[in-house]
Amino acid sequence: GQNIDQPTEMTATEGAIVQINCTYQTSGFNGLFWYQQHAGEAPTFLSYNVLDGLEEKGRFSSFLSRSKGYSYLLLKELQMKDSASYLCAVRDSNYQLIWGAGTKLIIKP
Amino acid sequence: TAGITQAPTSQILAAGRSMTLRCTQDMRHNAMYWYRQDLGLGLRLIHYSNTAGTTGKGEVPDGYSVSRANTDDFPLTLASAVPSQTSVYFCASSVEGANTGELFFGEGSRLTVL
Repeated sequence: GQNIDQPTEMTATEGAIVQINCTYQTSGFNGLFWYQQHAGEAPTFLSYNVLDGLEEKGRFSSFLSRSKGYSYLLLKELQMKDSASYLCAVRDSNYQLIWGAGTKLIIKP
Repeated sequence: TAGITQAPTSQILAAGRSMTLRCTQDMRHNAMYWYRQDLGLGLRLIHYSNTAGTTGKGEVPDGYSVSRANTDDFPLTLASAVPSQTSVYFCASSVEGANTGELFFGEGSRLTVL
């Protein structure tokens, strides 16, 4: 079966750095997405990785290792508005998106 | 900028009744999708449409139907609602089909079936 694993919940302090991990077992691989979802709102696109390595976009970076079936989302200089759920999704060999259950990130002052 | 509009925002429905969730996009995207989101689970695809006039089944299509008469509209119909269909429903679109790019989501429709 296909599976995406993410921690259910994480807590971090304002101004700090947090790393949210995602591991996957899928039928093939054609890219990995990260989305942000604030409570009661729609998911919004954060990043896309298809090759190994780090993609940086402002305070947010996403890393991919295809050989390890592993990605992480790195959030720097955390702000209270970063409190949200972060969804990892993998596109498999049939171009179907497999979604993780999401990681709820709680930022404390 | 509207993007994707869903209606209604929330609805309480008696079991056995029918319901249509509306979804309209103004981005001229070819592909549209319906997902349901339940606590503790990832988003699950119900139905999709890669282009106007075509539709396909996703992971959890039973009890749901869709149509895509034109590019902009992609309604989701529950013919006879059951309590297990209580969920938050998200409509999404992408420029092209087969999940080839980022998805743009509507604000969601919260449905409670009693």
